[in-house]
Amino acid sequence: ETGVTQTPRHLVMGMTNKKSLKCEQHLGHNAMYWYKQSAKKPLELMFVYSLEERVENNSVPSRFSPECPNSSHLFLHLHTLQPEDSALYLCASSPNGESNYNSPLHFGNGTRLTVT
Amino acid sequence: AQKITQTQPGMFVQEKEAVTLDCTYDTSDQSYGLFWYKQPSSGEMIFLIYQGSYDEQNATEGRYSLNFQKARKSANLVISASQLGDSAMYFCAMSQGYNFNKFYFGSGTKLNVKP
Repeated sequence: ETGVTQTPRHLVMGMTNKKSLKCEQHLGHNAMYWYKQSAKKPLELMFVYSLEERVENNSVPSRFSPECPNSSHLFLHLHTLQPEDSALYLCASSPNGESNYNSPLHFGNGTRLTVT
Repeated sequence: AQKITQTQPGMFVQEKEAVTLDCTYDTSDQSYGLFWYKQPSSGEMIFLIYQGSYDEQNATEGRYSLNFQKARKSANLVISASQLGDSAMYFCAMSQGYNFNKFYFGSGTKLNVKP
């Protein structure tokens, strides 16, 4: 079983739809992340949850709504998206805390989102 | 200010030759980690190698080595004996953390290995 699992792998949605992306990690990590990767742009950090508390929100539009019910699960709820929101959305996890700065992020395979 | 800079948008290398991908970083912290990731066209981000800010020896993992020059704030990735399967995007990243680890990524380098 892979460490970080994202579903669905691909998603096509209209601008008026509501959908959710799911991420699950089996690594015992305490921090979970959402990144957005658009074509020809660096990875953009969207949200970070540490011990189920949101600790980072990088000025993300409110049409993206994260949820972290426990340290193993992370959701990204989507509603009234725009075509420019089409991108690869990557979930990642890591151990928590200053002593763990040497631990890499473990990524899921991503959800490729297309907004029509 | 940009924390991680990768100045090579694209690189070509002949199969079986070595290639160096450049990365410079910006931080005033003493404790940080430097990472390289590989992203094939399928999209997954694969962790390759790590270097800690206090590590005196350059990190090596198989055909990957990290040329760490702390005073110059550079952390270049060296891939020896390139293979066709090495063709991918490569991202340099830095982590800093107190309550949680915050990761900064560069814009990436697209490596093409020619047969």
